[in-house]
Amino acid sequence: SQTIHQWPATLVQPVGSPLSLECTVEGTSNPNLYWYRQAAGRGLQLLFYSVGIGQISSEVPQNLSASRPQDRQFILSSKKLLLSDSGFYLCAWSERGGRWETQYFGPGTRLLVL
Amino acid sequence: QKEVEQNSGPLSVPEGAIASLNCTYSDRGSQSFFWYRQYSGKSPELIMFIYSNGDKEDGRFTAQLNKASQYVSLLIRDSQPSDSATYLCAVRIANSKLTFGKGITLSVRP
Repeated sequence: SQTIHQWPATLVQPVGSPLSLECTVEGTSNPNLYWYRQAAGRGLQLLFYSVGIGQISSEVPQNLSASRPQDRQFILSSKKLLLSDSGFYLCAWSERGGRWETQYFGPGTRLLVL
Repeated sequence: QKEVEQNSGPLSVPEGAIASLNCTYSDRGSQSFFWYRQYSGKSPELIMFIYSNGDKEDGRFTAQLNKASQYVSLLIRDSQPSDSATYLCAVRIANSKLTFGKGITLSVRP
């Protein structure tokens, strides 16, 4: 069966510091991968998605970036965090192809920028 | 603009009642529809998906889709306190990404 991991689970960072969040998927090959952010009281916002190694699409202009160095690894980064980057970061995967590409979420990383 | 709207909550029902959660969407090209449940502090988990008009049942959960009226709903029968959570509606256009509603919080009173 497929599993998705994210780490760290929680993170407290000062404004202006760098960020690196990691997501890995097991039990599947060639998945679509997604990064979402959920801010307090707001819906899920898609940040990036990837259909393959090195292929990244950005949905929202911001100071975040994403990379996919391996088939089942997705990394979210920032060079300098802002207060507004605080939130719950969720990685998701889906099996490629077909109309019913169901997305499955990882456990998430809760980020607080102070 | 693709939009997914959910009833403003929160919704409170007594234990054993039927909870009805509604969602409307704006893009008539939408083809598949998903309901996720999110407990406080946790990540969303998939409950059901539906792509054909009509009802789809899974245990105490029934998803209903009406493409002509552009709405999808989730019914929870015999509601339990453990059903208390935020429910997210999501919509996909073919080969495109999911668009999520903001969610509705359900509280089941013992």
